[in-house]
Amino acid sequence: AQSVTQLDSQVPVFEEAPVELRCNYSSSVSVYLFWYVQYPNQGLQLLLKYLSGSTLVKGINGFEAEFNKSQTSFHLRKPSVHISDTAEYFCAVSDLSNQGGKLIFGQGTELSVKP
Amino acid sequence: ETGVTQTPRHLVMGMTNKKSLKCEQHLGHNAMYWYKQSAKKPLELMFVYNFKEQTENNSVPSRFSPECPNSSHLFLHLHTLQPEDSALYLCASSSGRGTTDTQYFGPGTRLTVL
Repeated sequence: AQSVTQLDSQVPVFEEAPVELRCNYSSSVSVYLFWYVQYPNQGLQLLLKYLSGSTLVKGINGFEAEFNKSQTSFHLRKPSVHISDTAEYFCAVSDLSNQGGKLIFGQGTELSVKP
Repeated sequence: ETGVTQTPRHLVMGMTNKKSLKCEQHLGHNAMYWYKQSAKKPLELMFVYNFKEQTENNSVPSRFSPECPNSSHLFLHLHTLQPEDSALYLCASSSGRGTTDTQYFGPGTRLTVL
């Protein structure tokens, strides 16, 4: 069975500092990986996704993530964060055996950017 | 209206009430989803519909009853709920092509069961 672990429930960081949000997954087959962001009082919005090809994936708002198959990780990074990046971030996984587009989500990481 | 809309945005109900949540997508998608989001827990997939047919029921109690009359609309009918059912209920849609789909989410309905 698939699972996703987000290693940090909360990440406080100062504005303009770099940030990394960690995500590890467990699956016995090839996977597709996603990062979603949820701003306060809103639904989830796709930041980026890895399907195949280059292991470094660039997304919206200056975020990027690197797929590491040997470490089963898909960590999200941004070199310089802004106050507006304050939100909850969710890592999710889907696999080839899942015909219905079902996503398995991690428990989320709350990013808090302070001035 | 664009994207995925949900009504109402907030709902307070007693345990004996019957209410319904509505979701509408304006993206031409063929798959729709209901998720439950509780504090400090991963999103829980509840139901999936593909081309109006239910393809996933994730062991959801029968007090939650979904309905998908067409590819653009999805309802969640609620009756005799429990306080632990209080949560944010999110609707999402996708093209229905499969595992690489991006899911587009609505803003959610915040449900409080008294």
